[in-house]
Amino acid sequence: GENVEQHPSTLSVQEGDSAVIKCTYSDSASNYFPWYKQELGKGPQLIIDIRSNVGEKKDQRIAVTLNKTAKHFSLHITETQPEDSAVYFCAASRGTNAGKSTFGDGTTLTVKP
Amino acid sequence: DVKVTQSSRYLVKRTGEKVFLECVQDMDHENMFWYRQDPGLGLRLIYFSYDVKMKEKGDIPEGYSVSREKKERFSLILESASTNQTSMYLCASNGMRLLLSGNNEQFFGPGTRLTVL
Repeated sequence: GENVEQHPSTLSVQEGDSAVIKCTYSDSASNYFPWYKQELGKGPQLIIDIRSNVGEKKDQRIAVTLNKTAKHFSLHITETQPEDSAVYFCAASRGTNAGKSTFGDGTTLTVKP
Repeated sequence: DVKVTQSSRYLVKRTGEKVFLECVQDMDHENMFWYRQDPGLGLRLIYFSYDVKMKEKGDIPEGYSVSREKKERFSLILESASTNQTSMYLCASNGMRLLLSGNNEQFFGPGTRLTVL
């Protein structure tokens, strides 16, 4: 089955700095790679996703890059703000798998004001 | 907006009790999932269901069962709760319409924090 590894497990940055979280996956058939943000006391919520036919996607301060050959993808947050503090999960899935995803173990991001 | 609700935010039970965790979604989604979340272990899939009365084991089904009698409702059952089942439980759903367009986003409920004493 699919295996997703996520690094680092914790990340602390100063407000205004950039943050990068990296994930690797094992199943070359995976074709959908979402990133979820989980704020305290809430369930994870999708913030950005990328499909295997695209190398990069950007939405304001967040961007995701995908390297299919190396089987890794990364989340980039620029100009971090205290409200970016949360747990971030990457995931990988393939469309034929009844909607299942395999999740990374999560990264706790702390943005210091 | 998709809404996934879970019956309780916090629950405290005693060892050996039978525990029911309920999840309801309002977007007519075919697929529903139960995860447990523990520090450092991410989201681990317990069971999922892709249709009414259908269920499949996830990665850690031992000690759990599920029920899906109606499309919108997916219940997680702990037949005899144990202290090692103390955890955060998350329910999620997604639908075939999105999947067929290549979008495998899962919509999560707020979670139930279960403590077994």
